[in-house]
Amino acid sequence: DADVTQTPRNRITKTGKRIMLECSQTKGHDRMYWYRQDPGLGLQLIYYSFDVKDINKGEISDGYSVSRQAQAKFSLSLESAIPNQTALYFCATSDSTGRATGELFFGEGSRLTVL
Amino acid sequence: QKEVEQNSGPLSVPEGAIASLNCTYSDRGSQSFFWYRQYSGKSPELIMSIYSNGDKEDGRFTAQLNKASQYVSLLIRDSQPSDSATYLCAVNINRNAGNMLTFGGGTRLMVKP
Repeated sequence: DADVTQTPRNRITKTGKRIMLECSQTKGHDRMYWYRQDPGLGLQLIYYSFDVKDINKGEISDGYSVSRQAQAKFSLSLESAIPNQTALYFCATSDSTGRATGELFFGEGSRLTVL
Repeated sequence: QKEVEQNSGPLSVPEGAIASLNCTYSDRGSQSFFWYRQYSGKSPELIMSIYSNGDKEDGRFTAQLNKASQYVSLLIRDSQPSDSATYLCAVNINRNAGNMLTFGGGTRLMVKP
C-alpha cells in the first residue's frame, strides 16, 4: 500500500459543485501539503499544515479550503468549483525535523476536471 | 522574476551523453536545494538534495551548488531512455511561517536511443 493515499484519483464535475479531495498517510509525518500542478507551471502550494492545529495558506489558496482531521488526514475542498481549477492535485508529507522538511513524499495525484 | 526558474525544455540528448539541467533561485538566504524527478502521469520523487557549495555525487547523478551565483544544477551521466522525465528543482525559501519548499516549473528531458 502507498504511504500517501489520495482519493479520488480522477473526478469530473460541473461548475458550482462542491468537491472534496482526501489524503491520508502512514508515514507518521507531522507536515502535510496540498499542491496543484498545471502544465509548465511546476507545483504551486495551495495550503499546508505543520500539525493538527496549524493550517496555513500557500501561494494560491483562493477558492480552496482545507481540514486537518487528524495527524494522518488532510482534505482539500473546492466549495464551488470553476473550470480554471481543472488541474492535477498532489498531497505531500514531510518530516518536521531539520533538513527533512524539504524531502517531500507525494501521493499519486488526483486529476480533477471541472466542466 | 520567479523565485525558482528552470528552462522548460525539452532538452534532448542521445543515449550515453551527459544531460545538464539548470536552475536559478532568487532568495540569497536559501540553504536547502532539491531535485525531484517526475515521470509523465506520475508523482514527483526526490532524487537529490544538496546543502553546501560544490558537488554531490550519487551514482550517475551529480548535483552542483553555487550559492554566490544562486545557481544549482543536476548532471546525469550516461543518460538512459529511462531518464526521460521532467526534473523539478526545489528550493527552501524563507517565508513568514518558516522555510517553505518552492518549485520551479520543471525541465523536460528526452533521452533518445
